[in-house]
Amino acid sequence: QVHLQQWGAGLLKPSETLSLTCAVYGGSFSGYYWTWIRQPPGKGLEWIGDFGHGGSTTYNPSLKSRVTISVDKSKNQFSLKLKSVTAADTAIYYCARGTPFCIDGYCYDWFDSWGQGTLVTVSS
Amino acid sequence: EIVMTQSPLSLPATPGEPASISCRSGQSLLHRNGYNYLDWYLQKPGQSPQLLIYLGSHRASGVPDRFSGSGSGTVFTLKISRVEAEDVGIYYCMQALQTPVTFGGGTKVEI
Repeated sequence: QVHLQQWGAGLLKPSETLSLTCAVYGGSFSGYYWTWIRQPPGKGLEWIGDFGHGGSTTYNPSLKSRVTISVDKSKNQFSLKLKSVTAADTAIYYCARGTPFCIDGYCYDWFDSWGQGTLVTVSS
Repeated sequence: EIVMTQSPLSLPATPGEPASISCRSGQSLLHRNGYNYLDWYLQKPGQSPQLLIYLGSHRASGVPDRFSGSGSGTVFTLKISRVEAEDVGIYYCMQALQTPVTFGGGTKVEI
């Protein structure tokens, strides 16, 4: 049974860089999409982006200029960096595993395993 | 981006009774391959979201069969045949046809 464990700094000042890491235990690292999703306090879910099993990254256009998702296959870990944070970036950040479904050359993934979430607060 | 709209926002439920949540998308989620790229997630209080339904109607592993998903195109429904106390939480629909993936605003189910 796969388990995702995430960590990172929980309190940032405006303009700093958010950095979170997610470790994958108990399952294969290859062949999945490794995804970050966030949830502002009391609000809904926002997809940030993913690192696909083909080695490419896809980002939410609203965050694309500030976000980087990377993978360290040797450690079964993936990471999120979001630069120049503001109070609007205050949220619970979740890592998730996306299981791909490909047919007729079109692939999508559903999020079947999630990390425990990390509350990141941006405040001066 | 594709806008997802859920209703109702809040759903008082009675144990043993059915419950239903609606999700509408701003454009069709039906791919030419015949699949609807619509998932349902449940976020129980204080927990991370968990997958219930993928591709519109396929129950995820371990999900009780009292949960079912239906619909096609732009209109989808999540049904709970007999609500149990453990079903409380916020239900989200999510489209994965286009980037960015987008979620509905959520429906809070309370007993």
